[in-house]
This record gives sequence, structure tokens and C-alpha cells, in this order.
Amino acid sequence: KAGVTQTPRYLIKTRGQQVTLSCSPISGHRSVSWYQQTPGQGLQFLFEYFSETQRNKGNFPGRFSGRQFSNSRSEMNVSTLELGDSALYLCASSLEGQTFNEQFFGPGTRLTVL
Amino acid sequence: DQQVKQNSPSLSVQEGRISILNCDYTNSMFDYFLWYKKYPAEGPTFLISISSIKDKNEDGRFTVFLNKSAKHLSLHIVPSQPGDSAVYFCAASNSGGYQKVTFGTGTKLQVIP
Repeated sequence: KAGVTQTPRYLIKTRGQQVTLSCSPISGHRSVSWYQQTPGQGLQFLFEYFSETQRNKGNFPGRFSGRQFSNSRSEMNVSTLELGDSALYLCASSLEGQTFNEQFFGPGTRLTVL
Repeated sequence: DQQVKQNSPSLSVQEGRISILNCDYTNSMFDYFLWYKKYPAEGPTFLISISSIKDKNEDGRFTVFLNKSAKHLSLHIVPSQPGDSAVYFCAASNSGGYQKVTFGTGTKLQVIP
């Protein structure tokens, strides 16, 4: 079974631009979560989608948004990029998004904002 | 506000010895705890979990201990192997809701051959 895939793997943008990251979950998984990883901050929860609906949201500004498609693929968008948005963005999928469901992570997208 | 804290950013252990990674949490609503391991250029992978109704869970060389009164959990790796060298993240969630997992900042473990 193929794992979680994320595209692109690396991205360089400048301040003020916007960016869209993509995540394809494991086949059959309906829950997709997004995390931001920065040095010293660990993984910070952005949001979780299930059946095209956002069920949970972390403490990030409205510049961070996402969506999920009917095939469970998900995209994350960051508008008006700031230098502090430079980070590794990780996507994780799980079967139903229940607490006890194991999350499977993709390799991440490394975003650099100049 | 860091609700899950891993106060040791790094740890070095000799091969064959025990590795103990510690984690503290502040949110008393957390009742499900997990450990993930992360190698460079890869996403985290699930290692072991524990529910708050237990105080110990074991899986091969990995054991997680939970002390609810102290809001503390630890991961023991015995014996440690060079392949265990990675960053370990402690995580917590509330089983009453859907997946909203709070991660710690990670501890980089180096197992020296």
C-alpha cells in the first residue's frame, strides 16, 4: 500500500506570495491532518479534515487554510507569506480520525520564505 | 503555551544501555499519549501509545510509563541500538474528540556504538 505523499517536497517563495501544498493520503484513509514543524516548536497542529469537512483547527491565523476533496486528497494554502512561515509542513492521514487511529505521516514539504 | 514539554533537546546513550526519554504535560484533559520517532528527511512514524487508564504499556524493546498525578510520561528503550538514533516526539490528545494531537518539541537521541 502506498504511503502518504506530499508535493512539492521543497518550495522557495518570497514574502507576500501565496503557496499551495498538496497531500495524498493512504488509500482508504478519510482523515487528513496538517502540522507545521519549526526548530524549537515541535509539530504544531494546523487543522484536520474528514469527508471534506474541517473538524478541528489549531491556533494559526486565517492566512492558513485548507480543503479536502472527495477522494480525500487535501491541500493547504498559505497566503501573504511571512518569513516566520518557513517550516516543514507535514501531512498525516488516518482511517477515521479517531484519537486511537494511528496517524501516518508523509515526508513533508520544506517551505522557505525569503 | 507549550502544553506538552520535552525538556531535554538531546540525549546520548551507549549501545546496549537503557534510553529514557521524558515528557511532561499540563493539560489535564489529555487522556491518550503517543510517542513518534522521526528520522531526517522522513515524516514521524508511530512508535507506541498509552491510554490514561493504564500506567504502563510495553511493545518489544519499548515501554511507556504514565504518571497521571505528576502529568509525566517516559519512554524506555532497552537495549538501545544505533538504529534507534532519531528524534522522538511525545504527543497527547483528548479521546473525547477527533484527532487534534499536541506534540512536544522533540528529543534527539543518539545511540553510540
